[in-house]
Amino acid sequence: QSVLTQPPSVSAAPGQKVTVSCSGSSSNIGNNYVSWYQQLPGTAPKLLIYDNNKRPSGIPDRFSGSKSGTSATLGITGLQTGDEADYYCGTWDGSLSAVVFGGGTKLTVL
Amino acid sequence: EVQLVESGGGLIQPGGSLRLSCAASGFTFSSYSMNWVRQAPGKGLEWVSYISTGSGTTIYYADSVKGRFTISRDNAKNSLYLQMNSLRAEDTAVYYCARVKAAADGTCFDYWGQGTLVTVSS
Repeated sequence: QSVLTQPPSVSAAPGQKVTVSCSGSSSNIGNNYVSWYQQLPGTAPKLLIYDNNKRPSGIPDRFSGSKSGTSATLGITGLQTGDEADYYCGTWDGSLSAVVFGGGTKLTVL
Repeated sequence: EVQLVESGGGLIQPGGSLRLSCAASGFTFSSYSMNWVRQAPGKGLEWVSYISTGSGTTIYYADSVKGRFTISRDNAKNSLYLQMNSLRAEDTAVYYCARVKAAADGTCFDYWGQGTLVTVSS
């Protein structure tokens, strides 16, 4: 059981938009910055979004992040088949003194 | 180019010990906090441990490994380590070393190694 809650799967057609939610509490998302990771099959995770809504160099602006209260959202527009991957949210949890991740969301581009 | 290369994984019996290593290159290793993150087969990411920059005076562990695993670093060798004792079947996972992103307000990981597989089984 993950500390952060994500939907197990989402899907959308190529070219469309999809959002992935990440729900937590005041000890984690509510008082800390959220990051998002993309994990393509058989590869290591890759940082997509950090500090709630910032993109590292090289990440296209099709990827966006937002946070409100104890929830965060990853948005992906202009879906491509290459976006099919598992997506994870993560943040610091002050009560646990630990980094916590969501359980992951599998994106299928139909 | 930043590179993180893990090694030391393998098959180990329950109760046994294993030491993982992560060789870093392409950046000033001593200036970055480092972590271990694991992923059980077919499962999600699980953070394992954190060590701060420099001499690594600040260390954190996940409750699931506290008292059994020890993180350490050798800045002269640009290396991160994870000593794993009293291994259990549930420790079976791919273990990644990951660098904490500098100039970020939150804790996030901007570079990851390719991972090393640890299998705990009799």
